[in-house]
Amino acid sequence: AQKITQTQPGMFVQEKEAVTLDCTYDTSDPSYGLFWYKQPSSGEMIFLIYQGSYDQQNATEGRYSLNFQKARKSANLVISASQLGDSAMYFCAMRGYTGNQFYFGTGTSLTVIP
Amino acid sequence: DTAVSQTPKYLVTQMGNDKSIKCEQNLGHDTMYWYKQDSKKFLKIMFSYNNKELIINETVPNRFSPKSPDKAHLNLHINSLELGDSAVYFCASSPTRESHEKLFFGSGTQLSVL
Repeated sequence: AQKITQTQPGMFVQEKEAVTLDCTYDTSDPSYGLFWYKQPSSGEMIFLIYQGSYDQQNATEGRYSLNFQKARKSANLVISASQLGDSAMYFCAMRGYTGNQFYFGTGTSLTVIP
Repeated sequence: DTAVSQTPKYLVTQMGNDKSIKCEQNLGHDTMYWYKQDSKKFLKIMFSYNNKELIINETVPNRFSPKSPDKAHLNLHINSLELGDSAVYFCASSPTRESHEKLFFGSGTQLSVL
């Protein structure tokens, strides 16, 4: 069975500071994909970043980077230079080898303080 | 052009009624999903179709019935609505089921059962 765990229900960060949102996963699939989505208060699901299990380098997309530690089965999201607009729910997700299931973690609510 | 569109955006109805939510994607994707997001923001997969074929049918009451007339459409019909069905329902699609493919989400349908 595959599982995604986000242990931080809520996080606060000062504007312009960096913040790390934790995500651990469990799978026996030989290959898989890891994803982060943002859900602002308006409700839409916004794709942020993707990391493949065989990718040698950590993924980066603008101010977002993914700290991928395969041996520890962790895929933490790092947001640099936080902005007020970063206040939202953040979901870690995984897609396994067969691709049928797309599992989500329980989410972390991030609040950026001015 | 909206890539994944769901209608209606809001649905308020009485217990016991039957309602449908429609979803269409114009991306040419093979795979479509329905997710339920509860009040705690947990995203639970309900159904998945690949090229009109049902491939995932999670433990969902049989009052919920998906229908895919073609691979661009996946509708959700709910019979005998209950208070516990109140949630946000998201439709999503992906090009294929491969592990590197992200999900493209619709804007969600907020269902309120009174």
